[in-house]
Amino acid sequence: EAQVTQNPRYLITVTGKKLTVTCSQNMNHEYMSWYRQDPGLGLRQIYYSMNVEVTDKGDVPEGYKVSRKEKRNFPLILESPSPNQTSLYFCASSPGIALYNEQFFGPGTRLTVL
Amino acid sequence: EDKVVQSPLSLVVHEGDTVTLNCSYEVTNFRSLLWYKQEKKAPTFLFMLTSSGIEKKSGRLSSILDKKELSSILNITATQTGDSAIYLCAAGSGTYKYIFGTGTRLKVLA
Repeated sequence: EAQVTQNPRYLITVTGKKLTVTCSQNMNHEYMSWYRQDPGLGLRQIYYSMNVEVTDKGDVPEGYKVSRKEKRNFPLILESPSPNQTSLYFCASSPGIALYNEQFFGPGTRLTVL
Repeated sequence: EDKVVQSPLSLVVHEGDTVTLNCSYEVTNFRSLLWYKQEKKAPTFLFMLTSSGIEKKSGRLSSILDKKELSSILNITATQTGDSAIYLCAAGSGTYKYIFGTGTRLKVLA
């Protein structure tokens, strides 16, 4: 089944404790992206990647890191999480990089930073 | 600065009503306009509109892109309670980013 998977689905952590949210897609998509969704603010793009080893900042990259060492995986790293990073996170992938295709979203990761 | 604005923010209608959701965009080197439906989980794709495909229809849902006005509408006819959701609009830009609006929350009453 074609899908985007994320793990964990729910995470409660404490300020400053490094964490990684994994994202994997099995559709051989070039474009992958991370979003956070907050009430009243909609989906905001954190980072995106157009292919292996090619990543760039979205609109809200502060406090996050990403890597794209393999085409299928695009982990999101929070080196020192803070409470303002409490949010619902979505990973998405899309074929091609010209943005003429729909994005497929993962199920979401709800992160709480205490 | 790229931006996408949706209106109204929320809407309450009765089953059988027709609704029109609005999306306006200002993005660098516009590529595409996408509509998603979000219930209590991940967004699901509805339509994509581009300069070469400005009108789409699927069942009771339809969408039009107005390239001159830099806007799009999503129409839902004969609404059902299952249409209750947040509807998201996103624009794909030439800077390889997708910019989302804040969404329109639709509630359909039985």
